[in-house]
Amino acid sequence: AQSVTQPDIHITVSEGASLELRCNYSYGATPYLFWYVQSPGQGLQLLLKYFSGDTLVQGIKGFEAEFKRSQSSFNLRKPSVHWSDAAEYFCAARPPRNKLVFGAGTILRVKS
Amino acid sequence: DAGVTQSPTHLIKTRGQQVTLRCSPKSGHDTVSWYQQALGQGPQFIFQYYEEEERQRGNFPDRFSGHQFPNYSSELNVNALLLGDSALYLCASSRPRSGYTFGSGTRLTVV
Repeated sequence: AQSVTQPDIHITVSEGASLELRCNYSYGATPYLFWYVQSPGQGLQLLLKYFSGDTLVQGIKGFEAEFKRSQSSFNLRKPSVHWSDAAEYFCAARPPRNKLVFGAGTILRVKS
Repeated sequence: DAGVTQSPTHLIKTRGQQVTLRCSPKSGHDTVSWYQQALGQGPQFIFQYYEEEERQRGNFPDRFSGHQFPNYSSELNVNALLLGDSALYLCASSRPRSGYTFGSGTRLTVV
């Protein structure tokens, strides 16, 4: 079945430490890939997207993600986390001309 | 440039009632998708509208219906509300080869 998997439900990192959130997808062909962030009770904000080309994608707020076809992964990274990054992060995938499907999300906690 | 606008922001309804949620897409976007996000879960796809027609539908009962207007705005209607319909309803707009832009959502509580 086509799906998006985020293996980590919760992650806690110290402020200033690096961050990596994992995402794997299961599709026959490479879908378009996205990372969104959601603060409590709010809508979803797009951090970055991958359609094709360079496998390292830069996004807003200092985030980046790397597409690895061999691993069917699209992990999100940030070199130095700020307290304001605490939120829930969703990986999403969309095959061309199809709907956007979300993973279950990873809640990021930042400790000072 | 306004993003996606949803109304109302909060709503409380009684079981069995009907509800209509509204969405205005981002300027330049012609496709509207609706998602249901229950507490602690990722958004689940309800349906998508393009050129005033339902183009795709997720695994939701017929109680969930929608409409898209010529100006690309959209409505989501839910009939015979159940307690389990309580959720954040998100509208997203898009155009070809773009990411989806989401609104802030409508928080529906069914009592």
